[in-house]
Amino acid sequence: AQSVSQHNHHVILSEAASLELGCNYSYGGTVNLFWYVQYPGQHLQLLLKYFSGDPLVKGIKGFEAEFIKSKFSFNLRKPSVQWSDTAEYFCAVNAQDNDMRFGAGTRLTVKP
Amino acid sequence: NAGVTQTPKFQVLKTGQSMTLQCAQDMNHEYMSWYRQDPGMGLRLIHYSVGAGITDQGEVPNGYNVSRSTTEDFPLRLLSAAPSQTSVYFCASTPYRVGSPLHFGNGTRLTVT
Repeated sequence: AQSVSQHNHHVILSEAASLELGCNYSYGGTVNLFWYVQYPGQHLQLLLKYFSGDPLVKGIKGFEAEFIKSKFSFNLRKPSVQWSDTAEYFCAVNAQDNDMRFGAGTRLTVKP
Repeated sequence: NAGVTQTPKFQVLKTGQSMTLQCAQDMNHEYMSWYRQDPGMGLRLIHYSVGAGITDQGEVPNGYNVSRSTTEDFPLRLLSAAPSQTSVYFCASTPYRVGSPLHFGNGTRLTVT
């Protein structure tokens, strides 16, 4: 079965710092990859997705992620975070004949 | 569009009580699912449905039942609540089981005492 690992449980950054959140998955076949964001007290919203093609995908609010097939990774990046990026971030994998599975999440706190 | 609507937003139950969490979507999505969210564990799939009349178990189905009599509705039933079921529950829908992002409801925070 597919599984997802997120390396960082809690990341604390100052505004304008660069962000990289790690995500690794275990599945040997074709995968669809997602990052979702959950702002405090809200439901999950889609940040970006990768299905095929260019391994560097851009999402909303300046976020991007890079799919590295050889490393089974899909890390999320943002060059300069803002206080409003404070949220929990979830990586998710959806492979053939499998439902979407989520990582444990990374809580990001951005200090003003 | 309302999207995915969950009710109630909050619920407190005593151990052994039963209840139904409601979920409805107005996007004509075939696939619907229920997740529970617990600190440090992310979202875990409870049950899912690929269309009306079809349901199946996810990762953590014990203690929960579902049914899908219409495309729009996918209620989750707790048969006999236990403290271990204290969690935040999210319903989600999407057009296809694979290859399309999930649309989430606003969640139900359940406490079992």
